Amino acid sequence: AQKVTQAQTEISVVEKEDVTLDCVYETRDTTYYLFWYKQPPSGELVFLIRRNSFDEQNEISGRYSWNFQKSTSSFNFTITASQVVDSAVYFCALSERTGRRALTFGSGTRLQVQP
Amino acid sequence: DVKVTQSSRYLVKRTGEKVFLECVQDMDHENMFWYRQDPGLGLRLIYFSYDVKMKEKGDIPEGYSVSREKKERFSLILESASTNQTSMYLCASSYDGEYTEAFFGQGTRLTVV
Repeated sequence: AQKVTQAQTEISVVEKEDVTLDCVYETRDTTYYLFWYKQPPSGELVFLIRRNSFDEQNEISGRYSWNFQKSTSSFNFTITASQVVDSAVYFCALSERTGRRALTFGSGTRLQVQP
Repeated sequence: DVKVTQSSRYLVKRTGEKVFLECVQDMDHENMFWYRQDPGLGLRLIYFSYDVKMKEKGDIPEGYSVSREKKERFSLILESASTNQTSMYLCASSYDGEYTEAFFGQGTRLTVV
């Protein structure tokens, strides 16, 4: 069965600090897909990134970067120079090629960025 | 932009009531999902549907049923609401493909008293 673990329940940083959110996954499938979502206080989940299991290239998008390492089954998310607007709950999710179509989510990490 | 709309943002219902949560998407997505979000537990899948009139149980289907009579609409039904069903309910939809992200509605916070 697939499983996603986000061990950090809550992180608090001061603005301009860098912060990394950890995500560890379990799957038996050789082809799978990983996602990150952001849930701001308004409640709606916002898609940030997806990555398939054959693409281990790290990705950078502005202040956001993602580090995918199959060897450690991790897909970590780093925010550089954090801002107050980054305060949200962040979810990591997984889907399998041969499994059900729905995403399996981790328990989420609440990030608070203090001014 | 993809739009997933849930009929209510907040609902308060009494124990034993039959509750309907409605979700509509406007992007002709094949797949639709209902998740429940609770603190410390993340999002847990209740039911999903990959076609009209098709449905599959998720991880926590007990106490819930669903209906999908039209492609754009997916309803979650609490047959007899109980206090342990107080939660945030999130609807999502996606294209039917291996590598597609899901788009979420704004959520319905249901309180059962």
